[in-house]
Amino acid sequence: GEDVEQSLFLSVREGDSSVINCTYTDSSSTYLYWYKQEPGAGLQLLTYIFSNMDMKQDQRLTVLLNKKDKHLSLRIADTQTGDSAIYFCAENDDGGFKTIFGAGTRLFVKA
Amino acid sequence: DTEVTQTPKHLVMGMTNKKSLKCEQHMGHRAMYWYKQKAKKPPELMFVYSYEKLSINESVPSRFSPECPNSSLLNLHLHALQPEDSALYLCASSQGGALGQTNTEAFFGQGTRLTVV
Repeated sequence: GEDVEQSLFLSVREGDSSVINCTYTDSSSTYLYWYKQEPGAGLQLLTYIFSNMDMKQDQRLTVLLNKKDKHLSLRIADTQTGDSAIYFCAENDDGGFKTIFGAGTRLFVKA
Repeated sequence: DTEVTQTPKHLVMGMTNKKSLKCEQHMGHRAMYWYKQKAKKPPELMFVYSYEKLSINESVPSRFSPECPNSSLLNLHLHALQPEDSALYLCASSQGGALGQTNTEAFFGQGTRLTVV
């Protein structure tokens, strides 16, 4: 079945770049997402990428997709303490209703 | 308006109570979702409504009863819940193919934190 895997924790210093990695198994995945969840809050969509793209940049966020290796990454430049949260990688095949979420990576930003 | 609004934010209920969670969006989205999220876990899909019809029920126990009265509203009726049902319940919506547009990203509400005592 479909599976999305992420490392559980990442700790960085304020001002450094953070790179959160994700691997997925479903080769028919069309849309890949990054969501951010702060404590006690819902999920906030950060960005998404279509499977026919290699890279997408949005201000401090850069998403890289290696479709051959089924590897997705999220780079946050100049990481701030406000970026501390859980980041979920997710995939969806062909714009359907079922989005598969990874377990989430908890990002700690040290001042 | 890109908001999905959920009420209440917090709910404590006994195992014999009946309560309802509410979700509202005014983005013209035609797909609406209920997810359950336990602590330190990813969200788990419960139900999907597409054009006000139940499209997906992920084998959810009947003590959870969804309702979609119109294209902007989604309810989740709760009855005879168990303590293990305590979780964050998230509502989401997406275009769902409305107006010929591809269903892409889902927008989530802030959730209702439910505690069953």
